[in-house]
Amino acid sequence: QLVLTQSPSASASLGASVKLTCTLSSAHSSYAIAWHQQQPEKGPRYLMKLNSDGGHNKGDGIPDRFSGSSSGAERYLTISSLQPEDEADYYCQTWDSGLVVFGGGTKLTVL
Amino acid sequence: QLQLQESGPGLVKPSETLSLTCTVSGASISTSSYYWGWIRQPPGKGLEWIGSISYSGSTYSNPSLKSRVTISVDTSKNHFSLKLTSVTAADTAVYYCARNTLSVTSRPGYFDYWGQGTLVTVSS
Repeated sequence: QLVLTQSPSASASLGASVKLTCTLSSAHSSYAIAWHQQQPEKGPRYLMKLNSDGGHNKGDGIPDRFSGSSSGAERYLTISSLQPEDEADYYCQTWDSGLVVFGGGTKLTVL
Repeated sequence: QLQLQESGPGLVKPSETLSLTCTVSGASISTSSYYWGWIRQPPGKGLEWIGSISYSGSTYSNPSLKSRVTISVDTSKNHFSLKLTSVTAADTAVYYCARNTLSVTSRPGYFDYWGQGTLVTVSS
């Protein structure tokens, strides 16, 4: 079964960096994912597609502070120089054979 | 700039049918390069994919909702629609439409543009 696992919450200080993790089910460890950001009271926003080799394609206007990387079944979203507007929920998403799956989301708090 | 806008009733009675439309502007829906999808988010919870449709009408749906979901496309109006039958309070959610890229197998991939969402409440 295709499953994405995310930690429910994370926190980091203003100006620091944070690395969020999305873990694919073991049978799907080579799959690509996408990261989406949802700021409070807003709709989601596509950040990037992230491949198993760490290559990524960012959405329009996504700052260089957002980057992605991969290791095995884990997919990472790193946000550097944290800004107040980065406080949001972050969702990973994947797909396979006509099925689309979201992770449970990570709520990022900027301290 | 591509924009997607959801529209439809904000209140639906239990056991009735929820109907929403997503109007696409800034691009034609009649392209083989994308699917067009529906996603929902119950209050305080995460995102749940409902289903996706191509411009030619090929559809894929979440197995947990498939028996109640119908997604259709109207290329002449550049919009696509969702019908969800026999709704209950558990279907109360913000409903989003989004553009769905193609996977390498030409099925729905990731979402790259989202609408702002519309809240639908199921209540008598």
